[in-house]
Amino acid sequence: DVKVTQSSRYLVKRTGEKVFLECVQDMDHENMFWYRQDPGLGLRLIYFSYDVKMKEKGDIPEGYSVSREKKERFSLILESASTNQTSMYLCASSLSRGVGQPQHFGDGTRLSIL
Amino acid sequence: AQTVTQSQPEMSVQEAETVTLSCTYDTSENNYYLFWYKQPPSRQMILVIRQEAYKQQNATENRFSVNFQKAAKSFSLKISDSQLGDTAMYFCAFMMMDSSYKLIFGSGTRLLVRP
Repeated sequence: DVKVTQSSRYLVKRTGEKVFLECVQDMDHENMFWYRQDPGLGLRLIYFSYDVKMKEKGDIPEGYSVSREKKERFSLILESASTNQTSMYLCASSLSRGVGQPQHFGDGTRLSIL
Repeated sequence: AQTVTQSQPEMSVQEAETVTLSCTYDTSENNYYLFWYKQPPSRQMILVIRQEAYKQQNATENRFSVNFQKAAKSFSLKISDSQLGDTAMYFCAFMMMDSSYKLIFGSGTRLLVRP
């Protein structure tokens, strides 16, 4: 089974801090994704990566950056955390070989910015 | 731009009964994929079922089946013989058949299965 591991289930940070969310997958997937999940809005794509050192903006990239130095690891960075970034963050991965490959998700990180 | 709409924020069903969750989408594409994902209270999102738009046959997966109406751009999920473990958020999602691999999600339906 695919395992997508997010480093923290719960995280509390202060406004202005630089915050790192880490995600690791163990199935050699090419694609990795970061979403934020808010009630009534579903999941919205922040950034995704289809290869090492490659990244593309999703629908809501403002205030975020990402890093993918190794194939199995995809990091989301909040450069200067703000209260409106309080949310649930989900990481996912998928194969790129063949179309329509489903995404596999981690448990999520509930981030609170005070 | 593609959009996915789930018009039922919350639903409930008695254990062992059948429930249908609605999903509509908007796209000008002819080839794409549709998914239903389940997010139980423990929070990990898992794939329930997948449908290829070029296939007319509705996908089924044990107690889960879909009613895919391509012309109407409708993709509903039917859960038969509902179980307490089906209590979860359910998300409908759309993927274009291109190289982006991106999913577009609906806002979700919270399903409660009552004992």
